Amino acid sequence: AQKVTQAQTEISVVEKEDVTLDCVYETRDTTYYLFWYKQPPSGELVFLIRRNSFDEQNEISGRYSWNFQKSTSSFNFTITASQVVDSAVYFCALRGGDMRFGAGTRLTVKP
Amino acid sequence: ETGVTQTPRHLVMGMTNKKSLKCEQHLGHNAMYWYKQSAKKPLELMFVYSLEERVENNSVPSRFSPECPNSSHLFLHLHTLQPEDSALYLCASSQDAGSAYNEQFFGPGTRLTVL
Repeated sequence: AQKVTQAQTEISVVEKEDVTLDCVYETRDTTYYLFWYKQPPSGELVFLIRRNSFDEQNEISGRYSWNFQKSTSSFNFTITASQVVDSAVYFCALRGGDMRFGAGTRLTVKP
Repeated sequence: ETGVTQTPRHLVMGMTNKKSLKCEQHLGHNAMYWYKQSAKKPLELMFVYSLEERVENNSVPSRFSPECPNSSHLFLHLHTLQPEDSALYLCASSQDAGSAYNEQFFGPGTRLTVL
């Protein structure tokens, strides 16, 4: 069975702080993809990144970075120098067969 | 219009009403999805359509009835709903349903309240 766990329900930081959102997954598939989505107050989920199970290289995109560690089944997301516009709910997802989403982490960045 | 659009954005209905949610994708995708998002729960996949054929139905009650007349449009017909059906209903599309590689593109959702 596939499962995605985002243990942090809510996180609150002050602007310019760094913040890491945790994601741990379970799957028996040998080939799978991991995703992060952002859901701003407007409602639609916005795709941020995709990783396949064979590519453990970390990735950086501006203030965003992702740390994929297959040994611990984790795919964590770090926002550096957070901004108020980063406030949203962030979802981690896993797809081998079906897409499975975590419950999401609500990030609030205060000015 | 671009991306995935959904109407209405908000809907309040009684338990005896019949209503429909509409989704349209302008991305030329072949797969469309309905998800239910309840507070503090993971997104629940309800239905998957690939080239207008339903390929997945995740034990959804019959009071939810999907319809996909073409690859760009997806409807969710609602009747005799229960208060626990109140949630945000999200529509998504992707290039195809079979590839795990393809990310899904989401609409803004319909916030449904059942009184």
